Amino acid sequence: DSGVTQTPKHLITATGQRVTLRCSPRSGDLSVYWYQQSLDQGLQFLIQYYNGEERAKGNILERFSAQQFPDLHSELNLSSLELGDSALYFCASSPNLETRAEAFFGQGTRLTVV
Amino acid sequence: GENVEQHPSTLSVQEGDSAVIKCTYSDSASNYFPWYKQELGKGPQLIIDIRSNVGEKKDQRIAVTLNKTAKHFSLHITETQPEDSAVYFCAAPRGSYKLIFGSGTRLLVRP
Repeated sequence: DSGVTQTPKHLITATGQRVTLRCSPRSGDLSVYWYQQSLDQGLQFLIQYYNGEERAKGNILERFSAQQFPDLHSELNLSSLELGDSALYFCASSPNLETRAEAFFGQGTRLTVV
Repeated sequence: GENVEQHPSTLSVQEGDSAVIKCTYSDSASNYFPWYKQELGKGPQLIIDIRSNVGEKKDQRIAVTLNKTAKHFSLHITETQPEDSAVYFCAAPRGSYKLIFGSGTRLLVRP
C-alpha cells in the first residue's frame, strides 16, 4: 500500500458526460501528479500541483481540469467525455516540489466511456 | 525533446536467468532516475532509484546502473522469479516538475 488513495476504483459513463476523480496523497506529501495510462500504453503526464498551486502541465486536454484543495487532496475533472478518454488515471504524490524525489502512485481509477 | 526511450518493449526469460532493461534520456540536467514495477490491475510501484552522483545502486536482486555521459541507465534483475513478471517503467525528470516515463517493458519470467 503506497498510502495514496484514489476513488472511485472503477467508473463507467456515457460519452458527453462529466466525471470527477479524487486523490488523497500520502500524509505529509504536498505534491500531487496526475497521469493517464491508455490500454497497453505508457504513463502520460497530465498535470502537477504543489500545495494548492498548479506547477506543471503536460498534454492535458482543455476538457480536463484539476485542482488541489487546502487539505491537499486533489480532483481531476473530465468533461465532454469521448470514447478515447477511456483509460486508467493515476495519481501520485511526493513530499517535495521537484520531481527529484520519490513519487508514490495510487491504485488508479479505471474510466470506461461507452 | 522530452522522450525517455525504453528497450526492449517485451522480454521473456527463463526463471533464474537475468533480465536487463535499458533507457536513454535527453535532458542532460536530469539527475534522478527511478524505476517502477506495475503488476496487472495495480498502480506503478517504485522499486529502485538512482541519483546522478553515483554510477550503480543495488538492492538485493535488483540493480540500476547510470552512464551520464551516454545519457542512459539500466535496470538489472538477477535470479529472476515468476513474481518478477510485470511491466517495468523507467523515468527521468524534465525540468523541475515533470517526470517523463518510458514506454514500458513487459517482462515475462517462464517457470
